[in-house]
Amino acid sequence: DAKTTQPNSMESNEEEPVHLPCNHSTISGTDYIHWYRQLPSQGPEYVIHGLTSNVNNRMASLAIAEDRKSSTLILHRATLRDAAVYYCILRDIYSGNTGKLIFGQGTTLQVKP
Amino acid sequence: DTGVSQNPRHKITKRGQNVTFRCDPISEHNRLYWYRQTLGQGPEFLTYFQNEAQLEKSRLLSDRFSAERPKGSFSTLEIQRTEQGDSAMYLCASSLLQESYEQYFGPGTRLTVT
Repeated sequence: DAKTTQPNSMESNEEEPVHLPCNHSTISGTDYIHWYRQLPSQGPEYVIHGLTSNVNNRMASLAIAEDRKSSTLILHRATLRDAAVYYCILRDIYSGNTGKLIFGQGTTLQVKP
Repeated sequence: DTGVSQNPRHKITKRGQNVTFRCDPISEHNRLYWYRQTLGQGPEFLTYFQNEAQLEKSRLLSDRFSAERPKGSFSTLEIQRTEQGDSAMYLCASSLLQESYEQYFGPGTRLTVT
């Protein structure tokens, strides 16, 4: 599985937008970009995923660079509840793949009131 | 509640004892995963089931570890002769068959080996 690189930590103020970057320069054409987050004392939670086009859902937006070598998770208005570790993960779409997630260290997001 | 459940939530055991954890996935999910997470690290993949078949095991899964998923429903993870290094959070996740589908995680079982 291709590797991702994320900053160890980021800070944000409540009610402001947050842009969480992820570099994946060795991404292959069949890798989906997935984002999960893990709130304190909980299991990871799916946030969003995409392949080539930008994606929006009720939780966040995912902006994918044209060359797909980087992506950005956008939280439009951070709340205190968004304080978590955010993981950027690549998953190959082809069958025969187990679908297992390979987690890195992630980005710890602190949200200040 | 139709989420993934895990029991027990916490387990304290003495070194050398055997422990067993249970995971109940979302009912229609074919795939079930076990992960282990130590403090300050991201979860690490342990093993994976598609229905009742165990299709992949990580090198982290020593011969003291065994997992089952009888009838493709709930799953158990057993650790024999526990060691202090086994202390971790054990997470279970389930998903539908296709690779692009998200995994739903349970709350985990926190194991402490004294």
